Amino acid sequence: GAGVSQSPRYKVAKRGQDVALRCDPISGHVSLFWYQQALGQGPEFLTYFQNEAQLDKSGLPSDRFFAERPEGSVSTLKIQRTQQEDSAVYLCASSLENRGLAGTDTQYFGPGTRLTVL
Amino acid sequence: AQTVTQSQPEMSVQEAETVTLSCTYDTSESNYYLFWYKQPPSRQMILVIRQEAYKQQNATENRFSVNFQKAAKSFSLKISDSQLGDTAMYFCASREVQGAQKLVFGQGTRLTINP
Repeated sequence: GAGVSQSPRYKVAKRGQDVALRCDPISGHVSLFWYQQALGQGPEFLTYFQNEAQLDKSGLPSDRFFAERPEGSVSTLKIQRTQQEDSAVYLCASSLENRGLAGTDTQYFGPGTRLTVL
Repeated sequence: AQTVTQSQPEMSVQEAETVTLSCTYDTSESNYYLFWYKQPPSRQMILVIRQEAYKQQNATENRFSVNFQKAAKSFSLKISDSQLGDTAMYFCASREVQGAQKLVFGQGTRLTINP
């Protein structure tokens, strides 16, 4: 079946602009994660949804970052008033998270959105 | 809080050789998961192998195996008979079992397999 998809793949924004990044998880996956990956670094956690509930947003770097998953499937990460330090690849991951089945917590990643803020 | 450290920024080996990537971690949890992820130049992160901390037996997946030393908090990845397609960034990651679902990643090791 289809994997995790993200759009756009590349986004260039001028400093101060708002951007919206979309994630389509694997169909039926309960959990959805957003990570931020700076150039040459490992991904860092931003936020986590279980269905439509945002259970953990401890990694969001500022109140300019906002994420939603209103119907428990597609998610959008919004960054307001972008700054140069927001330039990074934003990765989305999903997992089935059926606690009765081993291995269903494996996170499957999308290709990422590369955001460049000028 | 969990932390993961990869001390080898880059490694390079010849095709068909065996290579070992190092990873150390720190956690206050008694049970947790450890992972190795591969990120080829196309940037899609792929799970290579996972290890449950309560299992003493080292996980293996075909040419990939781990050396899990719980007391030393070490989790190295061995790639046998390396292939050109193994060229990628490799990330070590950890995750709590009961608590936060997030993955905590190391800084990565860039592995190049030379023909």
